[in-house]
Amino acid sequence: EVQLVESGGGLVQPGGSLRVSCAVSGFTLRSHWISWVRQAPGKGLEWVAHISPDGSWEDYVDSVKGRFTVSRDNAKNSLSLQMHSLRVEDTAVYYCARTAPTNRGLDYWGQGVLVTVSS
Amino acid sequence: DIQMTQSPSSVSASVGDRVTITCRASQDINGHLAWYQHKPGKAPKLLIYGSSRLQSGVPSRFSGSASGTDFTLTISNLQPEDFATYYCQQAYNSPDTFGGGTKVEIK
Repeated sequence: EVQLVESGGGLVQPGGSLRVSCAVSGFTLRSHWISWVRQAPGKGLEWVAHISPDGSWEDYVDSVKGRFTVSRDNAKNSLSLQMHSLRVEDTAVYYCARTAPTNRGLDYWGQGVLVTVSS
Repeated sequence: DIQMTQSPSSVSASVGDRVTITCRASQDINGHLAWYQHKPGKAPKLLIYGSSRLQSGVPSRFSGSASGTDFTLTISNLQPEDFATYYCQQAYNSPDTFGGGTKVEIK
């Protein structure tokens, strides 16, 4: 069974840092792009970042460029989203999601983890 | 960046109705469009990929179509479990932008 499980969310002050992790099982991680998607309270889904299967290429939405870094360890079946200089507007539920082969959409998602940025 | 304009933002419908949601891309995305269903407290669910291909396990009352940069999700014979928010997403050019969402509510 394919599973993605996020962890590491919580409350952090503005300007602070937080690392969210995504542990995967049930599939070969090194074969898939992985995306991070977030949903702020009362708002829609927002694509945040993605990383290539071998970790050599990544991209980010403009609002997090230079502050967020996505990484992966295929041998440990895990990924992480390191967030620095957090802002109140980064408050959201963060999801990791697998891209299906040949870019056929985000076919499996984690349950999400809440990150709250507040003083 | 490619902008995805989704409409309407909400729609009220009854069980058995046909609901149509549209998404317009700001430029050609070569059909690389997916539709998702999202319910509160749950992970989003992939319904359609490649504009019109039904994801495995998704009921056939869901269908997708495309005409140039305009994309449509149709839900035929709306069921109680279909009341949710629906999003389109383009995956042609990074960043892989989502539409603003359409909330399908009970009339």
